[in-house]
Amino acid sequence: EPEVTQTPSHQVTQMGQEVILRCVPISNHLYFYWYRQILGQKVEFLVSFYNNEISEKSEIFDDQFSVERPDGSNFTLKIRSTKLEDSAMYFCASTSGTSGWNEQFFGPGTRLTVL
Amino acid sequence: QKEVEQNSGPLSVPEGAIASLNCTYSDRGSQSFFWYRQYSGKSPELIMFIYSNGDKEDGRFTAQLNKASQYVSLLIRDSQPSDSATYLCAVNTGNQFYFGTGTSLTVIP
Repeated sequence: EPEVTQTPSHQVTQMGQEVILRCVPISNHLYFYWYRQILGQKVEFLVSFYNNEISEKSEIFDDQFSVERPDGSNFTLKIRSTKLEDSAMYFCASTSGTSGWNEQFFGPGTRLTVL
Repeated sequence: QKEVEQNSGPLSVPEGAIASLNCTYSDRGSQSFFWYRQYSGKSPELIMFIYSNGDKEDGRFTAQLNKASQYVSLLIRDSQPSDSATYLCAVNTGNQFYFGTGTSLTVIP
């Protein structure tokens, strides 16, 4: 069964450093998403991506964040100059369409710890 | 601000009972509605989705949607200890998904 994969599973970084979180969406999916979940809190939408550009982004997704699909399979989230409050689980998700009834499939997540 | 509200629980039910989970949403333009299960430290996994008023059944799970009341629920019949998890309600509006904080369910053997 196809699945979304994410690497690394856990990333530890120093405050102020840049991190890149990687995702490989399901191969025939067209829409990609990043979410984050701070420990004990709800899943929060960051950004959606389609046709090599951002479709929507939340107020969380400020200039510190960027996304890229550098090739036909990877989808990355870059966080520049990480802050302590960026510590969270980051989930990538993909879906085949956005007609409103296409469910998203989530990857296992990357736990980011900023020290 | 688009909100999705859930009772955080914890909700405890005995094994074999029906668990009822509720969710309300604020945006009348919301198009589809999802229930995810999340075990501690894991990613959300989809249980089912619904986009039309009424009931939708899938095995032991039934989702109910009432758009007039902006309310969606999930019933779990014959609850099992393995159903113990946090249940997330998610709402699709446009190209964004909004999640509730989740309801923690414990099924007591």
